[in-house]
Amino acid sequence: KAGVTQTPRYLIKTRGQQVTLSCSPISGHRSVSWYQQTPGQGLQFLFEYFSETQRNKGNFPGRFSGRQFSNSRSEMNVSTLELGDSALYLCASSSGALNTEAFFGQGTRLTVV
Amino acid sequence: GENVGLHLPTLSVQEGDNSIINCAYSNSASDYFIWYKQESGKGPQFIIDIRSNMDKRQGQRVTVLLNKTVKHLSLQIAATQPGDSAVYFCAENSLLGSDKFYFGSGTKLNVKP
Repeated sequence: KAGVTQTPRYLIKTRGQQVTLSCSPISGHRSVSWYQQTPGQGLQFLFEYFSETQRNKGNFPGRFSGRQFSNSRSEMNVSTLELGDSALYLCASSSGALNTEAFFGQGTRLTVV
Repeated sequence: GENVGLHLPTLSVQEGDNSIINCAYSNSASDYFIWYKQESGKGPQFIIDIRSNMDKRQGQRVTVLLNKTVKHLSLQIAATQPGDSAVYFCAENSLLGSDKFYFGSGTKLNVKP
């Protein structure tokens, strides 16, 4: 059974640009959550999608958005990139049922220059 | 790595010794907890979970203890090996039917051969 796949693994963008990251969850999983990991703030929750609907949202500005497709694959988009958006973006996959394991992908390392 | 800036607490143990990593949480409504291991350059890896109706759960070489009275979680690793060197995070789920996890800042485990 394939794990969580995130693409691309690495990205370099310039300030002001926008970026789209992709996450394919484990087959059969319907929930995808996104997290930002930085040296200063640790792991912070961005949002969660379940059955194509955003089920929960963290405290990030509106420049951060996401969506989920009918096959459960998810994308997150960051517009008007800032230097502080440089981070490892992690996607977690789970069945979506109450209190079940969440499995992470390897992450996408975004560097904004 | 991602956590350098957080000045992570570090636990150094000798190979073969047992390790105990601690985590405090603040939300008494949290009802599900997961321990993750993160090696440099990789996404967090699921180790073991525990629900709030339990106070102990054992896996292969790992045991998680939950003390709801003082809101404390610990991860015990038996016969620690060099491959156990990593940053360990506890994560709590505070919302029913959601995959929004709150992560601790992590503990760096350093295993000396």
